[in-house]
Parts: sequence; C-alpha cells; structure tokens
Amino acid sequence: AQSVAQPEDQVNVAEGNPLTVKCTYSVSGNPYLFWYVQYPNRGLQFLLKYITGDNLVKGSYGFEAEFNKSQTSFHLKKPSALVSDSALYFCAVRDIKARTNAGKSTFGDGTTLTVKP
Amino acid sequence: SQTIHQWPATLVQPVGSPLSLECTVEGTSNPNLYWYRQAAGRGLQLLFYSVGIGQISSEVPQNLSASRPQDRQFILSSKKLLLSDSGFYLCAWSMDWSRYEQYFGPGTRLTVT
Repeated sequence: AQSVAQPEDQVNVAEGNPLTVKCTYSVSGNPYLFWYVQYPNRGLQFLLKYITGDNLVKGSYGFEAEFNKSQTSFHLKKPSALVSDSALYFCAVRDIKARTNAGKSTFGDGTTLTVKP
Repeated sequence: SQTIHQWPATLVQPVGSPLSLECTVEGTSNPNLYWYRQAAGRGLQLLFYSVGIGQISSEVPQNLSASRPQDRQFILSSKKLLLSDSGFYLCAWSMDWSRYEQYFGPGTRLTVT
C-alpha cells in the first residue's frame, strides 16, 4: 500500500521569503514522487517529479523539491515566494513496482499556500 | 502537444436525474485515463481508471460508472444522481507505467439540487 501525508493544511509566508510545503510518504518499495499545483476552479498542474538520481529536483516556476529517503520526505521549496504562488499544492506518490495498477497515484489532502504582499 | 478537454464546465442537475461527463485527450495514443472527484476544494478521490478501450477499473463502490468507447475518450455516467454526487470532477491522463506524471483537464463543477 502507498500513502502520502501533508501535515499542514495551510502555509502562510510573506512575499520574498522562502517557502516550504511538507510531504511525507509511505510505500512498500521505492517511490516515484510528484508535486502538483491547483488554482481555484482549475485542474491540477504538474510541477515536478522525483524518479531517480539527484535528490534535489527542479521544476516549473522556480520550485524545487528534495527527496530524503531516510526521512521518507519530499518537501516542496522555493527560495523567494511570489503572491502569484498562492494556490493549493498536492504531493503524490506511486510505488516503483506499480506496473500492474495503471500507475495509480495516491494524493495527499493538499496544502493551501498563501503568500502575502 | 497533448491537450485534454472536459465538458461541460459546470452542471446543475436535480436529484434522480442522469449524468454524462465527457473527457477527451488529443495528441497521444493509448493513454491511461482517470476520473477523480474533489470535494470542498481538498483531496482527490480516484473514482475510475482505464488502461485501454473497454477496460475500466473502479476504485470505490458508488452511484457512478465509467466507459471508454474510444482510445482517447472517457465518460463518467450515472443513472440517478444523489446529493452526495456534488463535487468537482477531474479527468486526467498519463503515459503508460508509473514514472510519468498525470495531466489534468479543467474539471466539471457538478451541483446536485
């Protein structure tokens, strides 16, 4: 079984400050990890993913995430937040052995990021 | 490039009425297709997924059904809507196998009255 936890429902940061949105996961094997962003009344947009290799993954809009296997975490980060980054962020995981389940992802419950000017 | 379409964008239906939501993907072939429901702007609940024409897997027992009559068409249906069917319905596609991300449609906001 695979699961994802996003421990914070809400994250508030000031514009220009660094931001972190937390994600921890649980899989029986090795994980594929994803971050998505959702703006109000829109579908989710893919931000970045960890498949293998470098633990620091860079994605769209200046976001990056660090894979930490020992802590089973994949936190989303950005050095300098923008007001336009305000949105709902989802972490998702797939077990690397998921060839028999159509690559289903398990999504976290989401974290609302608010960046204040 | 690939695009994914959903319609209608919004829908208000009375309890007991039928439902048909459509999703189509362009620019790719043999995608994995998914239907999700999102309640109250929070987490996603996977409803159905499909790996090919006529192949549907249901994740949760419910009042809904899905069909895939063509390679890039995915339909979500109900014979009789319940109040609890209200929500934001999202269709998504991905390349085969698990290393690939999902791409989501714009969603359908369904209100059952």
